Amino acid sequence: NAGVTQTPKFRILKIGQSMTLQCTQDMNHNYMYWYRQDPGMGLKLIYYSVGAGITDKGEVPNGYNVSRSTTEDFPLRLELAAPSQTSVYFCASSFRQGATGSPLHFGNGTRLTVT
Amino acid sequence: DQQVKQNSPSLSVQEGRISILNCDYTNSMFDYFLWYKKYPAEGPTFLISISSIKDKNEDGRFTVFLNKSAKHLSLHIVPSQPGDSAVYFCARTRINDGGSQGNLIFGKGTKLSVKP
Repeated sequence: NAGVTQTPKFRILKIGQSMTLQCTQDMNHNYMYWYRQDPGMGLKLIYYSVGAGITDKGEVPNGYNVSRSTTEDFPLRLELAAPSQTSVYFCASSFRQGATGSPLHFGNGTRLTVT
Repeated sequence: DQQVKQNSPSLSVQEGRISILNCDYTNSMFDYFLWYKKYPAEGPTFLISISSIKDKNEDGRFTVFLNKSAKHLSLHIVPSQPGDSAVYFCARTRINDGGSQGNLIFGKGTKLSVKP
């Protein structure tokens, strides 16, 4: 199993550009999440989804959009890139919501630089 | 408003010795605590968890202790191996918290270096 796959691995954007970070999972998990990790900091939740067609905001959603048209895919959209969005982005999925017996499976991340 | 604190950014131990990673939390409403391990250029991987109804949980070389009165969580690795060198994050979540259950709150991480 590939698990959670994120593309691209690296990207450099100019201020004001837009891009979509792709995330797909092959574990048939209903729950999917997007986190960002800034240098020296813990991961912060951007958006999450409890199933196809259902998304909700996390702790730091401003400047981002998501969609969940299928169980497998959960793309993250940046419309107007800003330097504050320079970060490493992690997508994750889980079988059930919450921690009990259902840990999050993370992708290997996308390193984004906005200059 | 950091609700999970890892006050040691780094820890260095000798191979074969015990590694103790610490985490403090500031809100007693949490019901589940987790440890994740992260290698460079990879995503975090789940290591071990503990619910607030327990004081201890073991999985092989890894043991997590929960001291609810002190609001303190620790991860013990015995014996430490060079392959354990990674960044360790503690995290918390709340059971049955409706829509926000998946919202893991992470600490800043502690970088463990195990020297041969």
